[in-house]
Amino acid sequence: DSGVTQTPKHLITATGQRVTLRCSPRSGDLSVYWYQQSLDQGLQFLIQYYNGEERAKGNILERFSAQQFPDLHSELNLSSLELGDSALYFCASSLQTGVSPLHFGNGTRLTVT
Amino acid sequence: KNEVEQSPQNLTAQEGEFITINCSYSVGISALHWLQQHPGGGIVSLFMLSSGKKKHGRLIATINIQEKHSSLHITASHPRDSAVYICAVRSGGGADGLTFGKGTHLIIQP
Repeated sequence: DSGVTQTPKHLITATGQRVTLRCSPRSGDLSVYWYQQSLDQGLQFLIQYYNGEERAKGNILERFSAQQFPDLHSELNLSSLELGDSALYFCASSLQTGVSPLHFGNGTRLTVT
Repeated sequence: KNEVEQSPQNLTAQEGEFITINCSYSVGISALHWLQQHPGGGIVSLFMLSSGKKKHGRLIATINIQEKHSSLHITASHPRDSAVYICAVRSGGGADGLTFGKGTHLIIQP
């Protein structure tokens, strides 16, 4: 058990809708990362937060946004969903930014129909 | 942008064999991660390396910074080692997001 909790495990929704994925990092970890894993693109880094502030941005679409709250949990908001957004979304946490080991959640599988 | 290449893409071996998975990257890095993903989808971080060699049980990871190359070895392989192994790098210069290889799909047959 990594200590990182992601909810929900599965989400099925329709095109055009908006969803929110939630991540609770491992106790004591300040940094949260979001990743997307799709069949055609593989794993891609989306965005990182450190202690409530955005730290780094990857291949995150403008329709997607995230935030990290004072209790350090994070939410990834996906809006105007398209079929191509169907993927596994992983959250990972680490103690600090930089070269701390990563701990992954079990992912949220999003299916857009 | 860092490019990460893994080889082989697919590997089938017999139980007990010594396994090697390779990872090459194109530009300087601050750290390299080896990850394991089982069919259920969850990802486990196996190693984080910035130099040298690390060992955990039957798993060994090495990195050669000059050659921009890392290897993951599995000794005395077992069917439970069957999984996708993914190499990921964190670039130098303060950029924090990982760049991932496409993964090596390993099957160990009894």
